[in-house]
Amino acid sequence: GAVVSQHPSWVICKSGTSVKIECRSLDFQATTMFWYRQFPKQSLMLMATSNEGSKATYEQGVEKDKFLINHASLTLSTLTVTSAHPEDSSFYICSASDSGANVLTFGAGSRLTVL
Amino acid sequence: GNSVTQMEGPVTLSEEAFLTINCTYTATGYPSLFWYVQYPGEGLQLLLKATKADDKGSNKGFEATYRKETTSFHLEKGSVQVSDSAVYFCALENNFNKFYFGSGTKLNVKP
Repeated sequence: GAVVSQHPSWVICKSGTSVKIECRSLDFQATTMFWYRQFPKQSLMLMATSNEGSKATYEQGVEKDKFLINHASLTLSTLTVTSAHPEDSSFYICSASDSGANVLTFGAGSRLTVL
Repeated sequence: GNSVTQMEGPVTLSEEAFLTINCTYTATGYPSLFWYVQYPGEGLQLLLKATKADDKGSNKGFEATYRKETTSFHLEKGSVQVSDSAVYFCALENNFNKFYFGSGTKLNVKP
């Protein structure tokens, strides 16, 4: 079946630094990928929709300059958390849509801890 | 707007017990409804789905029926196993693959 890989699975960084998280579709092409944030014991909150070759669409309240998304190819989208602060510590999950299947495949998530 | 509400956990059951996890939704239009499962340390996996009213999704002994009149999509299983221990998410998809998730319900099944 469809597989989505995220890297790194866990990252710790100092406050003020930037962190990049990769999301790859391993066996299918994904024109659209999605980035979610999951707080402890809470739901997944959609942050942005990443479209290959164009700008990402951000949900209301998500700072696009803070969370930079790049979808340069049909199999890779990246999320960069710029100038990270402790409140950015969270679990970030990506998903990708296999065109027409109406089913999302999720990555295993990336846990970010900002000291 | 679109939102999903599901029962808070954790839910703790003995093996072979009957499981119900409640899920209700609000949506504009006619959404598709899903249950996803997240095992420890893994990503979300699709468990089952239903795309229109009165459809029943089923997989691995789990079932859920799309009830438009009560805006519900409750998850049920007749006899749970220890291996079913996980977090279960109810979700709806309304357009353009935009998904809205419930807060998740953790299920613990004891031998």
